[in-house]
Amino acid sequence: ETGVTQTPRHLVMGMTNKKSLKCEQHLGHNAMYWYKQSAKKPLELMFVYSLEERVENNSVPSRFSPECPNSSHLFLHLHTLQPEDSALYLCASSQELAVNIQYFGAGTRLSVL
Amino acid sequence: EDQVTQSPEALRLQEGESSSLNCSYTVSGLRGLFWYRQDPGKGPEFLFTLYSAGEEKEKERLKATLTKKESFLHITAPKPEDSATYLCAVQSRGAQKLVFGQGTRLTINP
Repeated sequence: ETGVTQTPRHLVMGMTNKKSLKCEQHLGHNAMYWYKQSAKKPLELMFVYSLEERVENNSVPSRFSPECPNSSHLFLHLHTLQPEDSALYLCASSQELAVNIQYFGAGTRLSVL
Repeated sequence: EDQVTQSPEALRLQEGESSSLNCSYTVSGLRGLFWYRQDPGKGPEFLFTLYSAGEEKEKERLKATLTKKESFLHITAPKPEDSATYLCAVQSRGAQKLVFGQGTRLTINP
């Protein structure tokens, strides 16, 4: 148990669906991250939040929409996805942006049909 | 642009056979280098942070070392439970994010 919980663990969706991924951290951290992990590729950073403010957006398509209502919760809203968006989506948190030891959740395995 | 390259891509060892994993990096001033372990179906688990050349850290059968261009993860007398993918990441000074390598998939056969 890392203190970072992601739900759901698995998600299958059609290209026209709208779904959301949820991440909750119980570590009292101030920074949270979304990553995409595809087979045989390095982790790709998608979004960074610090104290509920987005501080980085790595040229992610607008069909991915993050939301950080407070420092413990992070959402990734999905709509009109493509099959190439199928991947493992990982959430992480760190104490501060400058202290970058990141603790990861178990991820959501997303399949887009 | 910061870059991380890990080698080999995959490594298969017999139980008790020691070896090393390599992480080569280029950054504009290193703030920290991180090693993670990832088991199938799970997120990466933090192992070590190294901050300056010459630094070493150990945990059970693992030892991480750092030079100005690369880091090694030495595994001594590994056991099957050490089988996992090992990820290396760097953070450069002034950067807010980690840049990850593609990982080394390690398999220890009994």
